Amino acid sequence: EVQLVETGGGLTQPGRSLRLSCEASGFTVSSNFMTWVRQAPGKGLEWVSVIHYGESTDYADSVKGRFTISRDRSKNTLYLQMNSLRAEDTAVYYCATCSEGYMGLWGKGTTVTVSS
Amino acid sequence: EIVMTQSPATLSVSPGERATLSCRASQSVSSSVAWYQQKPGQAPRLLIYRASTRATGVPARFSGSGSGTEFTLTISSLRSEDFALYYCHHYDNWPPGWTFGQGTKVEIK
Repeated sequence: EVQLVETGGGLTQPGRSLRLSCEASGFTVSSNFMTWVRQAPGKGLEWVSVIHYGESTDYADSVKGRFTISRDRSKNTLYLQMNSLRAEDTAVYYCATCSEGYMGLWGKGTTVTVSS
Repeated sequence: EIVMTQSPATLSVSPGERATLSCRASQSVSSSVAWYQQKPGQAPRLLIYRASTRATGVPARFSGSGSGTEFTLTISSLRSEDFALYYCHHYDNWPPGWTFGQGTKVEIK
């Protein structure tokens, strides 16, 4: 079955770090553009980051310099390293494939709460 | 940054009726627009890409149209499972500053 499963969310304090993982089944993460999208409680969707075929990366201005997207071919897993977390980073984080730019396959999401 | 503006914010429709959702881009995005459906507690689901191409498994009652700055998602005859939130999304520029519309909630009238 083709699917994405996110893990790694939780409750953390402002200024701390978290690493989200997104394990793929049924396809190869390294053969796809992969992206992270987040959704704050009761709010709409916000694109966060993308990793291209050639391992180049891009970020939304709101997370640039704090978040890092990467992938491990051997584990077929996408990651999002989140440093210097802020209250406004509280959201459900989804990973997704993004061929051409549209998000075709989504995971179920993992919840990140940043609060003191 | 390209702003995607959806209207209306809420659409009240009776089952069996047609629903028309609009999305306007602040500048031309060619046909690089996708539509997603999201139900409470679930991840978004891709419905339409390239403005008018239905994703695999999406029923034919869903259709997309438009180019440039004006886009429309039409649900021809609403079924109970179609009451949900719908988002448009542009992916025209690269490197991306991709943005989503704020969403349209389709509710039962």
